[in-house]
Amino acid sequence: AQSVSQHNHHVILSEAASLELGCNYSYGGTVNLFWYVQYPGQHLQLLLKYFSGDPLVKGIKGFEAEFIKSKFSFNLRKPSVQWSDTAEYFCAVNARYNFNKFYFGSGTKLNVKP
Amino acid sequence: EADIYQTPRYLVIGTGKKITLECSQTMGHDKMYWYQQDPGMELHLIHYSYGVNSTEKGDLSSESTVSRIRTEHFPLTLESARPSHTSQYLCASSVPSEQYFGPGTRLTVT
Repeated sequence: AQSVSQHNHHVILSEAASLELGCNYSYGGTVNLFWYVQYPGQHLQLLLKYFSGDPLVKGIKGFEAEFIKSKFSFNLRKPSVQWSDTAEYFCAVNARYNFNKFYFGSGTKLNVKP
Repeated sequence: EADIYQTPRYLVIGTGKKITLECSQTMGHDKMYWYQQDPGMELHLIHYSYGVNSTEKGDLSSESTVSRIRTEHFPLTLESARPSHTSQYLCASSVPSEQYFGPGTRLTVT
């Protein structure tokens, strides 16, 4: 089975600081990659996704992620965080040969101090 | 916003009770999923379905069962709840490019 590792379990930043959340996956084949966000009291929602093409993908709310195939990584970035970015962020992967199953990391809780 | 619904949102129940967690989606998706989510842990897939009358167990062993009699409905049942079942249960449906999640049911078994 595939696995997804998120190295930072809890990140605390001040507003306007830059953000980078790490994500590594274990599968060696072709994958689709996702970042989901869960705001307090809300359901998980898609932030951005990568299927193919430009390895730098842009999502909603100024987030972006870079796929580095050689490092099996898909790190999430934002140049300047806002208090409203306080949420839990989950990295996920599914294999091209089996779109049906998604594998999630353990999540990173981001607290942005105003 | 995705149209996927879960009821109840919160449930506190005693040991030994039978419970059913409801999940419905209005998007017509064939694929549906149940995940278990505990704080600081990955979402663990416990059941999935590729369509009506198709259900499979996920990677995490679970004492729950599911059924898929209608495309839009994917309920999860625990015949006899135990404290170890205390968790958050997330329902999702998907197309190949994305999963859509419901708000979750937070279950506490006392």
